[in-house]
Amino acid sequence: DVKVTQSSRYLVKRTGEKVFLECVQDMDHENMFWYRQDPGLGLRLIYFSYDVKMKEKGDIPEGYSVSREKKERFSLILESASTNQTSMYLCASSPQGAYYGYTFGSGTRLTVV
Amino acid sequence: AQTVTQSQPEMSVQEAETVTLSCTYDTSESDYYLFWYKQPPSRQMILVIRQEAYKQQNATENRFSVNFQKAAKSFSLKISDSQLGDAAMYFCACYSNSGYALNFGKGTSLLVTP
Repeated sequence: DVKVTQSSRYLVKRTGEKVFLECVQDMDHENMFWYRQDPGLGLRLIYFSYDVKMKEKGDIPEGYSVSREKKERFSLILESASTNQTSMYLCASSPQGAYYGYTFGSGTRLTVV
Repeated sequence: AQTVTQSQPEMSVQEAETVTLSCTYDTSESDYYLFWYKQPPSRQMILVIRQEAYKQQNATENRFSVNFQKAAKSFSLKISDSQLGDAAMYFCACYSNSGYALNFGKGTSLLVTP
């Protein structure tokens, strides 16, 4: 069964901490994506990557960075976590053209206190 | 740029009844794809149904079907014979070849009552 795995289901971090959210896919997909999901705002794209070491900003990249050193792994980094980054984070992957949509991970609920 | 609008933040349906969730989109592309995703309380996003814009025929997957009105840029989801397990957030999304990412609506929360 193909899947996208997010390393943590729940995380609690302190303000100012550096936070890493990890995502691994086993489908040899070229594209990987990070979204944050907030009530009433839907899914908003933070960053995506279309190849190893390649990344593009999405709609809300401020306060975040990403890393893709291997094809199967895409990391989201909060350099200095703030309370307004408390949210649900969803990772997804797709082949080069997302004609069939994404495969999603099960999400990481991050709370910054 | 594409936009996807879901005008119903919440909907409710009784078990065994039929419900329709609305979605409108805006794109300048001629070749695009539309999706409905379901997110149950477990949070795992599941693809419910997919429509290719160049196909006139409405997609159907068991109890789920769409009403795709290309000229009106409307893509509604009909759930027939609703079941308690259909309770979830439903997201409409659009993808075109000119980009990498799907654009999502804000979601509709569906409540199913016994």
